[in-house]
Amino acid sequence: QKEVEQDPGPLSVPEGAIVSLNCTYSNSAFQYFMWYRQYSRKGPELLMYTYSSGNKEDGRFTAQVDKSSKYISLFIRDSQPSDSATYLCAMNTQGGSEKLVFGKGTKLTVNP
Amino acid sequence: DAGITQSPRHKVTETGTPVTLRCHQTENHRYMYWYRQDPGHGLRLIHYSYGVKDTDKGEVSDGYSVSRSKTEDFLLTLESATSSQTSVYFCASKFGGRANEKLFFGSGTQLSVL
Repeated sequence: QKEVEQDPGPLSVPEGAIVSLNCTYSNSAFQYFMWYRQYSRKGPELLMYTYSSGNKEDGRFTAQVDKSSKYISLFIRDSQPSDSATYLCAMNTQGGSEKLVFGKGTKLTVNP
Repeated sequence: DAGITQSPRHKVTETGTPVTLRCHQTENHRYMYWYRQDPGHGLRLIHYSYGVKDTDKGEVSDGYSVSRSKTEDFLLTLESATSSQTSVYFCASKFGGRANEKLFFGSGTQLSVL
């Protein structure tokens, strides 16, 4: 079993839809959970960061962590064509960023 | 891309030739990383640096070497390029060593080994 599993999609939704992106993981030592957004031909950029369990909201984006189920989610409300990108989950233990484990990414297209 | 520049942006080379990719950052970040991104594998760490002349191996370091002689520059060398090293290479950096600290990525180098 891979440490981090992420459905690669692709996922195509109409503008205004609520989008749900998910990752599962196997390492119970993960404490830091991140979502990176990557536009085509660009490097990833940090979108959301959550420590341990719980929810975090930033505008149209909500990150959820359920450590008991080893499951994290990113919700995008009122999705826009500018949200079209690949979304990568990433997780870390107490170690440095050399321990950071990325999911394979989910490609999202929001159609106008 | 937060002052991180990768060069070249695209490169085509032949099997067996050495190749050097350059990462230059203007953020005075102490930590720098080289990743490769392949379909079906996601981002995988090749090498990283935690200071000038201080480097260590990542998950997929075989066939790669790095050097960091200045804070701002981190070089990745493919000693003898193979077709399996065809990939998109990303450099990243951050200021400190905390696990939750934000990584800043460059725009990537598309390398094709023929």
